Amino acid sequence: DTAVSQTPKYLVTQMGNDKSIKCEQNLGHDTMYWYKQDSKKFLKIMFSYNNKELIINETVPNRFSPKSPDKAHLNLHINSLELGDSAVYFCASRLTSGRLKTQYFGPGTRLLVL
Amino acid sequence: GIQVEQSPPDLILQEGANSTLRCNFSDSVNNLQWFHQNPWGQLINLFYIPSGTKQNGRLSATTVATERYSLLYISSSQTTDSGVYFCAVDQTGANNLFFGTGTRLTVIP
Repeated sequence: DTAVSQTPKYLVTQMGNDKSIKCEQNLGHDTMYWYKQDSKKFLKIMFSYNNKELIINETVPNRFSPKSPDKAHLNLHINSLELGDSAVYFCASRLTSGRLKTQYFGPGTRLLVL
Repeated sequence: GIQVEQSPPDLILQEGANSTLRCNFSDSVNNLQWFHQNPWGQLINLFYIPSGTKQNGRLSATTVATERYSLLYISSSQTTDSGVYFCAVDQTGANNLFFGTGTRLTVIP
């Protein structure tokens, strides 16, 4: 009964490869997110996706593309991986209507680009 | 964008001690959450507290929205409290959280 799940938990790959990270939430939330946590532990929003509206953080390279097949899933596809993409990527979700708008995070995907 | 500052950046406590972590934010907010990132990297929700005071066991939090700050109190600290504590807010009209830089807490036996 995991609320927000991500796969894989660990991803080690070579520079130049293309990879995807999957995220699923079973909370009935209407908005999903991807965050990046760098080596200094700073967490930064990459994307938010609500009812087919995608809001992109303008600092995110266009090698990163979110794909949402339905409201419960938001996958992250990364093309031509670079060394600087190594980080922990967190998926999150929340309900943006109503009084309680707690955001819940997945366990993270640790990406290492060699 | 909104600025979120947390203090202190680092804190070392003896087991059993109490502590107060602070979060200041630069604009009015709709939502404020406190998270604990444990040594395994998991982000655990502690409080959803855009205003007022809440308590959960040894932890409590207070947000004074009009003065743009929130406090997280940890009483009788335990080694399992170690990790990084993040404050995160979202502004009116935005639907994503902006994180502070965190307070790294180490509780020693």
